[in-house]
Amino acid sequence: GAVVSQHPSWVICKSGTSVKIECRSLDFQATTMFWYRQFPKQSLMLMATSNEGSKATYEQGVEKDKFLINHASLTLSTLTVTSAHPEDSSFYICSARWYGRSYEQYFGPGTRLTVT
Amino acid sequence: QQQVKQSPQSLIVQKGGISIINCAYENTAFDYFPWYQQFPGKGPALLIAIRPDVSEKKEGRFTISFNKSAKQFSLHIMDSQPGDSATYFCAANLNTGTASKLTFGTGTRLQVTL
Repeated sequence: GAVVSQHPSWVICKSGTSVKIECRSLDFQATTMFWYRQFPKQSLMLMATSNEGSKATYEQGVEKDKFLINHASLTLSTLTVTSAHPEDSSFYICSARWYGRSYEQYFGPGTRLTVT
Repeated sequence: QQQVKQSPQSLIVQKGGISIINCAYENTAFDYFPWYQQFPGKGPALLIAIRPDVSEKKEGRFTISFNKSAKQFSLHIMDSQPGDSATYFCAANLNTGTASKLTFGTGTRLQVTL
C-alpha cells in the first residue's frame, strides 16, 4: 500500500512554455499533498502544501503565480510550471499524507524537468 | 531553529559492517522523525520513523536511536549490504495546528563496498 505515482517521469520543454505534472495516490486517500524540488546532490526543498479543495500554501520564496498547484481530489494534485525558464530545470517530487495517518508522507518517483 | 543537521555527508562501509548516520535538531516542537532512503533518479522511500516519546525503534536491519535530551537521533544499518548504497535523509515534522510539514537534513551518501 501507500503508492504515489507521478506523470510524466521526465519532460523537456522550451523556454516560455508551461508544463503540468500530475501526482496521484493510487491506493489511499491523501488529505494533504506536498510538492518538493530537489537539485542534484542536494536535499529536498518544500515548495508548497496543498489540501483537497483548498488553495495551496506556498513556502517563502516560492512564486505562486509561477508554480500553480491544484488539489482537485483526495487522490490527485497537479503542479503547473508556467512560463518555464532554464533555471526551473530540476527534479520535482510530490508526496502524499495518508488520511488517518497524520504523520507519514509517501513520495512519488519524481519528475525530471529540463527547460531548453 | 527549523534546521536539521545531518552528518556525515558521505560514508563508505564494508559489506557486513554497521552504517551510522546522525542528525541533530534545535526545535523541541518537532514531533515525528522519519528516515528516508533515496536511489538516484527516484523519489525518497520511507524507511523507519520514530516519535520523541520512544528512545529506540528497530525494523529489520534498521534501527533509530533517539536522544530527546540531546536533541539528536541516528540511523543504524546493521549488516550493511551493497544494495543499501543510496542517499539517506533524516527529517523532522513540525505540526503547527494549521500545517504539518517535514524539514529534511542535507543527506548522507552511503556506499557499501564488497
